[in-house]
Amino acid sequence: GQQLNQSPQSMFIQEGEDVSMNCTSSSIFNTWLWYKQDPGEGPVLLIALYKAGELTSNGRLTAQFGITRKDSFLNISASIPSDVGIYFCAGVNRDDKIIFGKGTRLHILP
Amino acid sequence: NAGVMQNPRHLVRRRGQEARLRCSPMKGHSHVYWYRQLPEEGLKFMVYLQKENIIDESGMPKERFSAEFPKEGPSILRIQQVVRGDSAAYFCASSPGGRNTEAFFGQGTRLTVV
Repeated sequence: GQQLNQSPQSMFIQEGEDVSMNCTSSSIFNTWLWYKQDPGEGPVLLIALYKAGELTSNGRLTAQFGITRKDSFLNISASIPSDVGIYFCAGVNRDDKIIFGKGTRLHILP
Repeated sequence: NAGVMQNPRHLVRRRGQEARLRCSPMKGHSHVYWYRQLPEEGLKFMVYLQKENIIDESGMPKERFSAEFPKEGPSILRIQQVVRGDSAAYFCASSPGGRNTEAFFGQGTRLTVV
């Protein structure tokens, strides 16, 4: 079946640093979605991307839909403590099935 | 303008009992997805439903698990004869379908089998 490879699995950064994570696949997706999950909560949608090459921002977050439609990345600028959590990428295929990556766990060092 | 509602938030069942998890999608959403999450792990796809139809159940165990999304009422994920290994968080997401699909998640149901 379709799979998404999300990397890195975890990141340890200092407050104020920029963060970059990405998802790749051998399959084409029509939509890329990025979510954040806090402990004990459901994933919250951060950014949705619908067109190849699209670059979208939401505050300090920027995400891009890869030209090949097989990848996407998420950047977080000037990280703050509340950015801690798990970030998931998700691809929506032509059958509207949503496939998730395994997540990137972001830790901010004191 | 309520979001995706899941209930109960927490469910404790003894081995062999049945668990019923409910998901009310956002207003206007006709697509529902169920995912299972173990601690410190990602979201594992279980089933994708549209009103009265199962579209893709490739992630559902062949036995004891079933899902429905009736014309009226919430989507139900049903686990019969639960075992300890069924303990997990179960998340539901809904979307309007079609182009530019965005899926929104509920808060999840945490099932504990004792």
